[in-house]
Amino acid sequence: EILMTQSPATLSVSPGERATLSCRSSQSIGSNLAWYQQKPGQSPRLLIYHASTRATGIPARFSGSGSGTEFTLTITSLQSEDFAVYYCQQYNDWPGFGQGTKVEIK
Amino acid sequence: QVQLVQSGVEVKKPGASVQVSCKASGYDFTNYGITWVRQAPGQGLEWMAWISGYNGKTSSAPKFQDRVTMTADTSTSTVYMELRGLISNDTAVYYCARDVNLIVGGLAWLDSWGQGTLVTVSS
Repeated sequence: EILMTQSPATLSVSPGERATLSCRSSQSIGSNLAWYQQKPGQSPRLLIYHASTRATGIPARFSGSGSGTEFTLTITSLQSEDFAVYYCQQYNDWPGFGQGTKVEIK
Repeated sequence: QVQLVQSGVEVKKPGASVQVSCKASGYDFTNYGITWVRQAPGQGLEWMAWISGYNGKTSSAPKFQDRVTMTADTSTSTVYMELRGLISNDTAVYYCARDVNLIVGGLAWLDSWGQGTLVTVSS
């Protein structure tokens, strides 16, 4: 079983600043990683797949990078609507999600 | 546009079964899979199971293999997920999501999600 570890658990950021979220896998997953955003009371929304490809309609301020075991989601110039919980998901093997990073207003 | 519409809130007693439906529209149902993901109150996301819209093939996470059954009705583009032997820890919001892989479960991302169905298990 591949374990996904996200850090930090909570990230406090001021609007307009950059947020950098980390996701680490317990073994190499190539680029088979997706990122999702979930706001309170809403369903998750796909942001990124193949580690760095933005999903349809996702603003350019969201970017993903990494391969192997280390991955990063970067949100440049945080907007008010970006404060949410972010999950990574590997799909290289039996799928699993990280535990999430909550991005909150500083 | 792609839409996944799920059935409504369920309240069940321990030991019972629950069936949740997921009706797809806005795309060719047979070209994608449907994955079920659940989220316990205040917790993260948990991948449960997948069904192909193409041929009805299924796969489930080991912890659910003995308790989950899924069927796909291509005439109505609807997937049904039944979870048996409910316990209190099954209390969660259950989501269906479109899986871009129609051949093998679990090896792709989820690009559209239903609104979620709250299932509460309580005596």
